[in-house]
Amino acid sequence: QVQLVHSGAEVKKSGASVKVSCKASGYTFTGYHVHWVRQAPGLGLEWMGVINSRGDSTTYAQRFQGRVTMTRDTSTSTVYMELSSLRSEDTAFYYCARESPGMYQFDSWGQGTLVTVSS
Amino acid sequence: QSALTQPASVSGSPGQSITISCTGTSSDVGRYNYVSWYQQYPGKAPKLVIHDVNTRPSGVSNRFSGSKSGNTASLTISGLQAEDEADYYCSSYRSSRIFVFGTGTKVTVL
Repeated sequence: QVQLVHSGAEVKKSGASVKVSCKASGYTFTGYHVHWVRQAPGLGLEWMGVINSRGDSTTYAQRFQGRVTMTRDTSTSTVYMELSSLRSEDTAFYYCARESPGMYQFDSWGQGTLVTVSS
Repeated sequence: QSALTQPASVSGSPGQSITISCTGTSSDVGRYNYVSWYQQYPGKAPKLVIHDVNTRPSGVSNRFSGSKSGNTASLTISGLQAEDEADYYCSSYRSSRIFVFGTGTKVTVL
């Protein structure tokens, strides 16, 4: 079955960077785009960006441009999201979610990674 | 890139129907039929319950239905059950590979 498995929780200092991974299994990795969505404690979902199925194109939400980098490694079926210059407001669960090209929906989600930013 | 607007909370008694609205603009909800809805239980990842405005994925109860009029999409849950108590989020495509979520609605079964 389709699985998206995240790396473990992270605790970072303000100003540092964090790199979260999402390992895919149960489907053809190169056939799907992968999005990243975050959710601060008690708040709503926020779309961060997407890396396409081939890994050669990314689109980021305007508020994260310059701070976020999404990459993927076909050899390990893993997608990465790196967020730099962390601040306390970045404390959140970070989810990966897959999209079948042209379907414009997130049909499977990872369990999420909690990133805590402390000053 | 502002979020789509949803009511903060909606409630209903078991067996009743409730409707959650999702208001966007002519650049997202009003322009594309790529509205989807997600159900999220506390501490869990979201789950897709409706896509393309009104299509249910396999395995999702037929008590869930979606619609759209102009810049507003809606999710209706009929025959409300205790297991429907959760947070619900809409999402829309906004062009150039940009997506946006709604503010979220907490559904309470009385």
